[in-house]
Amino acid sequence: DAGITQSPRHKVTETGTPVTLRCHQTENHRYMYWYRQDPGHGLRLIHYSYGVKDTDKGEVSDGYSVSRSKTEDFLLTLESATSSQTSVYFCAIRDWGQNTYEQYFGPGTRLTVT
Amino acid sequence: GENVEQHPSTLSVQEGDSAVIKCTYSDSASNYFPWYKQELGKGPQLIIDIRSNVGEKKDQRIAVTLNKTAKHFSLHITETQPEDSAVYFCAPPVGYNKLIFGAGTRLAVHP
Repeated sequence: DAGITQSPRHKVTETGTPVTLRCHQTENHRYMYWYRQDPGHGLRLIHYSYGVKDTDKGEVSDGYSVSRSKTEDFLLTLESATSSQTSVYFCAIRDWGQNTYEQYFGPGTRLTVT
Repeated sequence: GENVEQHPSTLSVQEGDSAVIKCTYSDSASNYFPWYKQELGKGPQLIIDIRSNVGEKKDQRIAVTLNKTAKHFSLHITETQPEDSAVYFCAPPVGYNKLIFGAGTRLAVHP
């Protein structure tokens, strides 16, 4: 998985509780991404980072926040989890360079909000 | 924004047959056209990509063809094998920072 780990791999939590998912890379890649995957929707971008402390929103960012205080870690936080945020979450990394688009994905985190 | 449509959503073939998956995009400025494969329980992985200055690219049993005029590109898998069973996604970029993933095609190859 190209030096990417996600933690936890599985989590069950209750509605209204805060949740933080962690993505860790050992590749020193500049870009990091958080996606969610739901049946019939493919992968949808939540937030991404193009450097330490540099982040931007994706297409489904409502209810999520992110932080990147160092190159290797990208955190995704659900401030108050809802059942609609039950999903599989994937982190991806990407190197920087002209015409370099390939993303490398982590193994995913399955989150269930009850 | 960018609109990406992928067809079919499911595809069932016999081992040895060919499979074709089509992706239609809306951004005429797109210049990079990748296909990702996702096996059960894993994250997606790039299997082949093509740039806009090339009409076709092959890598063993897989190929990608591009029709920029019609704004679509296709994944071709020949001599399918059971290990080709997976979900396949097209993911053309939007600008430089982001990919937009299609909804996916679940391919089942039956022995």
